[in-house]
Amino acid sequence: DQQVKQNSPSLSVQEGRISILNCDYTNSMFDYFLWYKKYPAEGPTFLISISSIKDKNEDGRFTVFLNKSAKHLSLHIVPSQPGDSAVYFCAASDTGANSKLTFGKGITLSVRP
Amino acid sequence: NAGVTQTPKFQVLKTGQSMTLQCAQDMNHEYMSWYRQDPGMGLRLIHYSVGAGITDQGEVPNGYNVSRSTTEDFPLRLLSAAPSQTSVYFCASSHAPGRGTGELFFGEGSRLTVL
Repeated sequence: DQQVKQNSPSLSVQEGRISILNCDYTNSMFDYFLWYKKYPAEGPTFLISISSIKDKNEDGRFTVFLNKSAKHLSLHIVPSQPGDSAVYFCAASDTGANSKLTFGKGITLSVRP
Repeated sequence: NAGVTQTPKFQVLKTGQSMTLQCAQDMNHEYMSWYRQDPGMGLRLIHYSVGAGITDQGEVPNGYNVSRSTTEDFPLRLLSAAPSQTSVYFCASSHAPGRGTGELFFGEGSRLTVL
């Protein structure tokens, strides 16, 4: 049973436009959500996070939105740049338990010059 | 800053052979974990540890053993390798819950092929 779902395996956008990456979760105990970015042959790196007490968190070109009632979060990248081309993983945790993160399958983002 | 260091980066094994993937972190993190990444499957948790002497199973623990004798090291052992264990393995660490955001720091990965 997949608790974190990234249903779109890939996304292609034009440079300068907005990229919207979606993520859904099923476990209502999750209270902390993170996005990781992964380039080929490298380990994932932390991008941005959001606590369940917020509905938005912004860091430069990256904004994460959380809709708890819909159990849905999204990552917005504005403007998209070719260097953003990577695999993006959504992850969630129940911080009351431990630091164990549950990851989605990832979305491959391609930003066309 | 070294961060999380994994060795080896590449390894080819024959079915039935054993090996250990090494992981070391220099950030004094209490929490360490091992993930495997397979095409179309994302990152799946194998084993994790919340501190020295404490380990627990993740989502896909079968065929793997771990131990945590020090805060810095968290080796992953394959006792009898199988082709299904062909994968890319990532070690990750973080501060314990309540002491940090839960953000994981990953190593660069170890690509294992079992023939």
